[in-house]
Amino acid sequence: ETGVTQSPTHLIKTRGQQVTLRCSSQSGHNTVSWYQQALGQGPQFIFQYYREEENGRGNFPPRFSGLQFPNYSSELNVNALELDDSALYLCASSAGQGGFGYTFGSGTRLTVV
Amino acid sequence: EDQVTQSPEALRLQEGESSSLNCSYTVSGLRGLFWYRQDPGKGPEFLFTLYSAGEEKEKERLKATLTKKESFLHITAPKPEDSATYLCAVAPSGTYKYIFGTGTRLKVLA
Repeated sequence: ETGVTQSPTHLIKTRGQQVTLRCSSQSGHNTVSWYQQALGQGPQFIFQYYREEENGRGNFPPRFSGLQFPNYSSELNVNALELDDSALYLCASSAGQGGFGYTFGSGTRLTVV
Repeated sequence: EDQVTQSPEALRLQEGESSSLNCSYTVSGLRGLFWYRQDPGKGPEFLFTLYSAGEEKEKERLKATLTKKESFLHITAPKPEDSATYLCAVAPSGTYKYIFGTGTRLKVLA
């Protein structure tokens, strides 16, 4: 049984650019959530996808968007990058839209310069 | 407003010196409370889920307990490999999100 895998592991972007982060969910999981974790902080909920539909969103602006594909993998897209977007982006998957039993990936470290 | 507060922010223990980490929370309704361990540069690793006041869970040197206002993670006779950041999260009723605390950074010295 494979866990949650995220790519890339590290990324450096320039302010104003766009970025796409990718996540493969754990086998058997149909729900994917994305979290942003700034240095020294706890993860903050961005949004959740269940069976390709967004079914929950945190306090993030519309330039944060996502997709979930039929194989339950997912993408997080961030447009017009700002310096404050520098963080560890975590993907978590679970079986069922309740979000219990999250398995987290190791994250993508995004640095915006 | 739903929120989670963890204390202390950082804790240094000698190997074998038992202690407890605290997670206090305010939510309109609780679907569950979760404890995770996070190593530097890694994603959180699931430890426990607690659903109702009075519940307790144990795993090796760790024991988690839950009341209506807070949860404790008790660490008995810790070892250096227990060094990590321990995160507490709550799942409020009516949403799918988790609300995380800022964590307790634990360092266990040999």
